[in-house]
Amino acid sequence: DAKTTQPNSMESNEEEPVHLPCNHSTISGTDYIHWYRQLPSQGPEYVIHGLTSNVNNRMASLAIAEDRKSSTLILHRATLRDAAVYYCITSTNFGNEKLTFGTGTRLTIIP
Amino acid sequence: NAGVMQNPRHLVRRRGQEARLRCSPMKGHSHVYWYRQLPEEGLKFMVYLQKENIIDESGMPKERFSAEFPKEGPSILRIQQVVRGDSAAYFCASSPSRLNSGNTIYFGEGSWLTVV
Repeated sequence: DAKTTQPNSMESNEEEPVHLPCNHSTISGTDYIHWYRQLPSQGPEYVIHGLTSNVNNRMASLAIAEDRKSSTLILHRATLRDAAVYYCITSTNFGNEKLTFGTGTRLTIIP
Repeated sequence: NAGVMQNPRHLVRRRGQEARLRCSPMKGHSHVYWYRQLPEEGLKFMVYLQKENIIDESGMPKERFSAEFPKEGPSILRIQQVVRGDSAAYFCASSPSRLNSGNTIYFGEGSWLTVV
């Protein structure tokens, strides 16, 4: 799996958009980008994943750079319930069939 | 549409006892993954199974830990002769097929093991 780099922590004000960055400069052309989040004492929750094109769902948007070396998870309007650790992970398309979690970004929402 | 179901949610065992953690994948999912999260640490991959087969057990401790996913019934993570260091949250995840087909995995709520 390509190594990912995320800031250790970020803060954002409630009701404002949040942009969570992730660098994956060694990603290969067939690797998917997955985002999960984990609230305290809960299991990781799937947020979104994509390959090349930007992706939107009811939770968030995923903006993937044209060279695919970085991506940004966008929460359009943060709420207190979005406070969590956010993980950016890449999955290789061949062999190695697991997702390897790093340390993620701890997002704090300020009321 | 039920998600990944894990039980028990909380389990207390004395040192030397056995712990059995069960995971029922989402409906239609035949691939199961187990992860462990030690207190204040990140998620660590343990094992990846398909029905009746262990595909990747590179993250499993060599002794005392075993996993199975039988043709019928839930996946089981078994820890024999538990020690205090086994106290952790154990998460199961499932997917409908291999990750290289663009799928992702969905996690359960976890089983919290405490060894006293």
